[in-house]
Amino acid sequence: QQQVKQSPQSLIVQKGGISIINCAYENTAFDYFPWYQQFPGKGPALLIAIRPDVSEKKEGRFTISFNKSAKQFSLHIMDSQPGDSATYFCAASDNYGQNFVFGPGTRLSVLP
Amino acid sequence: GAGVSQSPSNKVTEKGKDVELRCDPISGHTALYWYRQSLGQGLEFLIYFQGNSAPDKSGLPSDRFSAERTGGSVSTLTIQRTQQEDSAVYLCASSWMMGEGPQHFGDGTRLSIL
Repeated sequence: QQQVKQSPQSLIVQKGGISIINCAYENTAFDYFPWYQQFPGKGPALLIAIRPDVSEKKEGRFTISFNKSAKQFSLHIMDSQPGDSATYFCAASDNYGQNFVFGPGTRLSVLP
Repeated sequence: GAGVSQSPSNKVTEKGKDVELRCDPISGHTALYWYRQSLGQGLEFLIYFQGNSAPDKSGLPSDRFSAERTGGSVSTLTIQRTQQEDSAVYLCASSWMMGEGPQHFGDGTRLSIL
């Protein structure tokens, strides 16, 4: 119940295309859903986050879509660029932050 | 400093030696977290601190692992009698407090056990 499932494991997208990464969770106590971006040799960096009171949040080319009833959320990267090539992790935590769980990650490669 | 600082950035040691990893969180952040990331893998949660207190140590892989935090700031993760399977990147993160705000990560310590 503490797991966050993430797919796909790896993704190859052409420059200008849309990258979509999906995550699913079981614990209904989760109420904070961030996405992290990690480049090789660096720690993960917060990209965008959402709480379940909204169904979508957009920041620039990055959009989170959230489906509370299905317990799923996804990251959409519009107009993907080679500089977006990185590993992306979804995560979830409860209101107290004591249960903070990361998905296994998606390695994104954007071809020039 | 502006971000989470971890030292050393790289550590190579022989099997059986003890190692100590250091994390200096963002100033004012009361919550601190340790994770382990094996090559090409996701993040394995190890332990968190709220202030100097670590209420749940069940995430530590074995009794060779210990962590402490003093003064509500710097934390050290100690691995005794290192084994080859301990080789990984150890990441530290901090946040304003538990459940408040995102976790900000350091760049990790890459530990290699020969």
